[in-house]
Amino acid sequence: KAGVTQTPRYLIKTRGQQVTLSCSPISGHRSVSWYQQTPGQGLQFLFEYFSETQRNKGNFPGRFSGRQFSNSRSEMNVSTLELGDSALYLCASSLWLAGGTYNEQFFGPGTRLTVL
Amino acid sequence: AQSVSQHNHHVILSEAASLELGCNYSYGGTVNLFWYVQYPGQHLQLLLKYFSGDPLVKGIKGFEAEFIKSKFSFNLRKPSVQWSDTAEYFCAASNNAGNMLTFGGGTRLMVKP
Repeated sequence: KAGVTQTPRYLIKTRGQQVTLSCSPISGHRSVSWYQQTPGQGLQFLFEYFSETQRNKGNFPGRFSGRQFSNSRSEMNVSTLELGDSALYLCASSLWLAGGTYNEQFFGPGTRLTVL
Repeated sequence: AQSVSQHNHHVILSEAASLELGCNYSYGGTVNLFWYVQYPGQHLQLLLKYFSGDPLVKGIKGFEAEFIKSKFSFNLRKPSVQWSDTAEYFCAASNNAGNMLTFGGGTRLMVKP
């Protein structure tokens, strides 16, 4: 079974630009979450999508947004990039269990974004 | 506020030494607990998880963790580490209100051969 895939793997942008990152979850997984990983702040939750709806949102400014498509693939967008947005952006997918709970999250390799 | 803390930022051990990494959480309601590992150049992988039941959980590669509710702890243990265990280890928690993980700051483990 293929794992979570993220594209692109590396990205270099300049301040003020916008960027879109893509995530394809494991087949059958309908929940997709995004995390930001930086040396200073560690791993922080951005948002979660389930069945094309944002279910949870972390404490990030409105410049960070996302969406999910009907095939569960997800994109996140960062507008008006700042130097501090340089980070590894991780996507994770998980299965919604029949009992109404989630299973564990499986992470992709991440997209490393560098903002110059 | 929900939080997860890991006591040790860096740990250096010799091969065959025993390992215990501390993790404490602050969460309301039902809590699900996880340990993830990130080997150099690789993505996060799940070592083990606790949702309910037996508080002693066994994971992959000989790792285990014990959930102690009274201490709000979920420490990771391994009786004998190997050089290949060199990695960064993350404790994480979530609850059934949503599928969002709160991570601890991570512990970098270096195992000397």
